[in-house]
Amino acid sequence: GDSVTQMEGPVTLSEEAFLTINCTYTATGYPSLFWYVQYPGEGLQLLLKATKADDKGSNKGFEATYRKETTSFHLEKGSVQVSDSAVYFCALSYTGNQFYFGTGTSLTVIP
Amino acid sequence: DTEVTQTPKHLVMGMTNKKSLKCEQHMGHRAMYWYKQKAKKPPELMFVYSYEKLSINESVPSRFSPECPNSSLLNLHLHALQPEDSALYLCASSQLDPTTNEKLFFGSGTQLSVL
Repeated sequence: GDSVTQMEGPVTLSEEAFLTINCTYTATGYPSLFWYVQYPGEGLQLLLKATKADDKGSNKGFEATYRKETTSFHLEKGSVQVSDSAVYFCALSYTGNQFYFGTGTSLTVIP
Repeated sequence: DTEVTQTPKHLVMGMTNKKSLKCEQHMGHRAMYWYKQKAKKPPELMFVYSYEKLSINESVPSRFSPECPNSSLLNLHLHALQPEDSALYLCASSQLDPTTNEKLFFGSGTQLSVL
């Protein structure tokens, strides 16, 4: 079946450090891939997405590239800020109304 | 308006109470969802409404009863809940277009505590 696997957290980084959160997927077809972010006490917000192989999604300094050969969609940011502290969810979807979420990775950025 | 609005933000109820969670969006989205999220876990899909009709029910116990009165509103009626039902309940919506892969818009959720 379809699923998403994320790296275990929590992740703690100093401000301005480089961030990578790993995400791999298992899919029977060709899904779209997403990163959602959840700040404390809030719902999930779309951070970025990619709809086909080799697409790169980017937003607010975050990037992720849809890699079909490695079935991965790793999230990266060159220089994290305290305000990036949140839980990050990788997800896949075929039709836009059936999403499969990873378990989430908690990020804490310390000044 | 790109918001999904949920009320109330917090709810405490006893196991014999009846309460309802409400969700509203005015983006013209024709799919609406209820998710349940326990602490430090990903959201779990409960129900999906497409064009105001229930299209997915992920084997949710009958003490949770969804309702979609119109294309902008989604309710979740709660009755005889158990303490293990305590969680963050998230509403979401999306456009229904088979030619694109649309994203989910989430509300901020209702934090439910069952005593």
